[in-house]
Amino acid sequence: GAVVSQHPSWVICKSGTSVKIECRSLDFQATTMFWYRQFPKQSLMLMATSNEGSKATYEQGVEKDKFLINHASLTLSTLTVTSAHPEDSSFYICSVGGQWFQGYTFGSGTRLTVV
Amino acid sequence: QQQVKQSPQSLIVQKGGISIINCAYENTAFDYFPWYQQFPGKGPALLIAIRPDVSEKKEGRFTISFNKSAKQFSLHIMDSQPGDSATYFCAASMSTRQFYFGTGTSLTVIP
Repeated sequence: GAVVSQHPSWVICKSGTSVKIECRSLDFQATTMFWYRQFPKQSLMLMATSNEGSKATYEQGVEKDKFLINHASLTLSTLTVTSAHPEDSSFYICSVGGQWFQGYTFGSGTRLTVV
Repeated sequence: QQQVKQSPQSLIVQKGGISIINCAYENTAFDYFPWYQQFPGKGPALLIAIRPDVSEKKEGRFTISFNKSAKQFSLHIMDSQPGDSATYFCAASMSTRQFYFGTGTSLTVIP
């Protein structure tokens, strides 16, 4: 599977500020990356599909103006949480994959805490 | 709407025992069924996966059993070890590559 690097692993920010999370595919040119959100002891919920060179596709209920996704190259996708609020505190995880049947590799996740 | 239903929510097994986690799905368009293992504070890691043209797949101590007619699949962990203690997620995917995850099972293997 792909090797995925996600940064930062944790971040604390003040309410109202913006936070950028990076997801890098180190050994694979990913035209598509996925962003998930996971609350404590809950499952992963797909937030959006990041498409290289085009707009991201957001899942129903996910605010695209709040969660800005940029996939400017085949190895980097970024998720920016804008005007963060305490309810945005969560574990954010990206994933990258090759052929769909090879399974997807997940990043190590980013723990966001908004105070 | 939960596309993939997973049970049990938590599981406690003695060391050396068999851990069994079950998942069920409705959408017959799903054609890839992976299992992921997640440790606290880490992203999920692919454990084993199966396609619907196979009824069973075994990799080491981990086995997936797949029942296409019942639309169910399960993960069996043989000779469970304390190091297997983690949260396990089943998932299902179509060729569109979008994954749907189960709700997770917290496994605790006691020595």
